[in-house]
Amino acid sequence: GPKVLQIPSHQIIDMGQMVTLNCDPVSNHLYFYWYKQILGQQMEFLVNFYNGKVMEKSKLFKDQFSVERPDGSYFTLKIQPTALEDSAVYFCASSLRQNSGNTLYFGEGSRLIVV
Amino acid sequence: QQQVRQSPQSLTVWEGETAILNCSYEDSTFNYFPWYQQFPGEGPALLISIRSVSDKKEDGRFTIFFNKREKKLSLHITDSQPGDSATYFCAAMLSGSFNKLTFGAGTRLAVCP
Repeated sequence: GPKVLQIPSHQIIDMGQMVTLNCDPVSNHLYFYWYKQILGQQMEFLVNFYNGKVMEKSKLFKDQFSVERPDGSYFTLKIQPTALEDSAVYFCASSLRQNSGNTLYFGEGSRLIVV
Repeated sequence: QQQVRQSPQSLTVWEGETAILNCSYEDSTFNYFPWYQQFPGEGPALLISIRSVSDKKEDGRFTIFFNKREKKLSLHITDSQPGDSATYFCAAMLSGSFNKLTFGAGTRLAVCP
């Protein structure tokens, strides 16, 4: 089936540094999402993105977070600066449309460890 | 405060048995409930979903039972197979909310041959 690719799969980074998580969504999809999962907890919505703009973000989407998809390339999540509590698995997802019943396709996740 | 709760955390059944995974939610505006299946090292994949206007949705061996009044739903996996061993996430959302899903913490299912 359709695949969402995430790069890197794992990254260890020093607190305070910048990290960029990359997502290659399904080719014809128009809506993009990031979800965060702390070990042992549920996945939580961070942000959704359409037509170059953030449509909605949660309170977890701190000021240090930003997303973009320049020129149809990777959809990226940037954290600058990183904090210890940013350690989590970040899942990217994409969908063709935004209404319910429209399947979200998730990537395998990027595991971020901030030390 | 967890908006979507799942139980049990983990479940072990024998091959051929029916596995029952439970889910409850708090927000009565939620009207769409997908279940996702996740294998180790992979991302979650949509398994089956139900809208609040229905009380049952069936797809092969997988059936969702939905009780709107009690804000509960369950996923039944009949004739469980070892290949069904995975983590199952119940999620909920309000239609039109830009696919802003609220997930439960998951039930880890093990099916023993």
